[in-house]
Amino acid sequence: DAKTTQPNSMESNEEEPVHLPCNHSTISGTDYIHWYRQLPSQGPEYVIHGLTSNVNNRMASLAIAEDRKSSTLILHRATLRDAAVYYCILRGSGGSNYKLTFGKGTLLTVNP
Amino acid sequence: EAGVVQSPRYKIIEKKQPVAFWCNPISGHNTLYWYLQNLGQGPELLIRYENEEAVDDSQLPKDRFSAERLKGVDSTLKIQPAELGDSAVYLCASSLGPRDRTEAFFGQGTRLTVV
Repeated sequence: DAKTTQPNSMESNEEEPVHLPCNHSTISGTDYIHWYRQLPSQGPEYVIHGLTSNVNNRMASLAIAEDRKSSTLILHRATLRDAAVYYCILRGSGGSNYKLTFGKGTLLTVNP
Repeated sequence: EAGVVQSPRYKIIEKKQPVAFWCNPISGHNTLYWYLQNLGQGPELLIRYENEEAVDDSQLPKDRFSAERLKGVDSTLKIQPAELGDSAVYLCASSLGPRDRTEAFFGQGTRLTVV
């Protein structure tokens, strides 16, 4: 499985933007970049995914580097409810590559 | 629409006892996953089903763990006998299909404590 590297933890203040980085230097051309987050005592929930172009949805934005070796999840205005572990995952095509392989993720703390 | 439903939410058993977890995926979702999550770690895949077929069970410890998905809908995960090291959260997830663009929906998990 293609690996991703994320900081163990990050801290932000409420109502400020948050940029969560992810490195995936071994990404293949067919790998999609997925982000999930896990709130305390909950199962992971889907946030966003993309292939090459930047993506926006109601939860967040995903900025993908031109060489696709890194990406950044952007929360435009952090709230206390955004405090969670954020996972960056590469999801490929074909056979076992369909599975979601989680790393340790980034623990985001949001200060009031 | 109901999400992925898991039961029980919590289970405490003595070591060497059997235990079973149940998962009801979102209606129409063909792909079902069971994950194990230890404290402070990300979820680890145990098994993935496409309809009734287990297509990826390479991470399932088959000496004590078993799973089934009858009729391609509900699924059960069983541990027999349980060991102290099996204490963890067991998560079930489902998705429409295995394609790379499909998001997975997770249940709240079953927290197992083996004493």
